Amino acid sequence: SQQGEEDPQALSIQEGENATMNCSYKTSINNLQWYRQNSGRGLVHLILIRSNEREKHSGRLRVTLDTSKKSSSLLITASRAADTASYFCATDAFGNTPLVFGKGTRLSVIA
Amino acid sequence: NAGVTQTPKFQVLKTGQSMTLQCAQDMNHNSMYWYRQDPGMGLRLIYYSASEGTTDKGEVPNGYNVSRLNKREFSLRLESAAPSQTSVYFCASRQQSWRNTTQYFGPGTRLLVL
Repeated sequence: SQQGEEDPQALSIQEGENATMNCSYKTSINNLQWYRQNSGRGLVHLILIRSNEREKHSGRLRVTLDTSKKSSSLLITASRAADTASYFCATDAFGNTPLVFGKGTRLSVIA
Repeated sequence: NAGVTQTPKFQVLKTGQSMTLQCAQDMNHNSMYWYRQDPGMGLRLIYYSASEGTTDKGEVPNGYNVSRLNKREFSLRLESAAPSQTSVYFCASRQQSWRNTTQYFGPGTRLLVL
């Protein structure tokens, strides 16, 4: 079964607004990663946060990780129509195991 | 570098037909993966190969077989296609290590089984 669960399933905002997506997981992790998928395309890596990190920034992206609550959030600031996509969190456990992906959040940014 | 490539991009099969989906990566990654993506289900792992010469089942392996032909190539075979296997299939690779590496995805293969 999938480990990461994103919330909300779908999000619609106006251009310029901030978008926040959440991810919850169940077991201990080595790191947590966020990926983006444009319609009909493969997933593209956005950002990785290690289990000993609490916050990380990359351009307009801000990721937080709370290992005590087993949750992460992805914030996209000043959203653009081009940010319209599905966003997935993926958990990376210790050892030689595959990433486990959530079901994703569909973000629509309306111009 | 081409990254991860998949062939074919699109395929239509009749129930009971067989086919092989091809995947290749040119990043010298040790681990490769096959996922399927259905609407509302996210990505589900079918099979993976942690290193050349090894393969392991994922979450939904039934009806599929895989071959890690060499370090670059990892193929997925449907021996007798069923309508339930209609999906988009993604291959991915990464250099799995203690350094927390990220995963690279191919563009996907859209499969329709009639």
